[in-house]
Amino acid sequence: EVQLVESGGGLVKPGGSLRLSCAASGFTFSSYSMNWVRQAPGRGLEWVSSISSSSNYIYYADSVKGRFTISRDNAKNSLYLQMNGLRAEDTAVYYCARPPSSGSYYVDYWGQGTLVTVSS
Amino acid sequence: QSALTQPASVSGSPGQSITISCTGTSSDVGGYNYVSWYQQHPGKAPKLMIYEVSNRPSGVSNRFSGSKSGNTASLTISGLQAEDEADYYCSSYTRSSTPYVFGTGTKVTVL
Repeated sequence: EVQLVESGGGLVKPGGSLRLSCAASGFTFSSYSMNWVRQAPGRGLEWVSSISSSSNYIYYADSVKGRFTISRDNAKNSLYLQMNGLRAEDTAVYYCARPPSSGSYYVDYWGQGTLVTVSS
Repeated sequence: QSALTQPASVSGSPGQSITISCTGTSSDVGGYNYVSWYQQHPGKAPKLMIYEVSNRPSGVSNRFSGSKSGNTASLTISGLQAEDEADYYCSSYTRSSTPYVFGTGTKVTVL
């Protein structure tokens, strides 16, 4: 069974940093690209970042470019999101999400999400 | 990259059919057959309902169907049921610096 479990969320002050993790199981992690998607309270979904299976291709939303860094450790079946220079508008539930295969532009598995709150 | 445009809300009575639109541009919805739809109940993670415009994943009811015309994609829910009350989001591949864009979301209410 495919499982994606996010962790690392919490309360952080504006300008602070946080590192999110996503532990993957039930599939060959190293064969799949991965994504982070977020949802601010009461708002819609926003794609944040994507990383290819071997980390060769990385993309960021303009809203986080230069502040967030996506990475992965295929040996540990884990996906990460390093978030620096956090702002109030980064407050959201962050989901780890997997597409079904390379070349697919949709997501078939989602984690349960981890809440990041940026507030003084 | 701007979000795709969806109506804020759509409602219908049990048994009726409703359609949710998702309008983009020729750089996203209109240019590729990579439109997907997600259902999200309160406090839950999104669930894939339609992929690549009109394909249903295994386990998704055939009451859900997708289509596209020009720069607008649509999700139709037929035989509306109480359990269909949720938020729905479209998404598309986009020819820009970022590969994905989501729609603004539509709240479906079953009257």
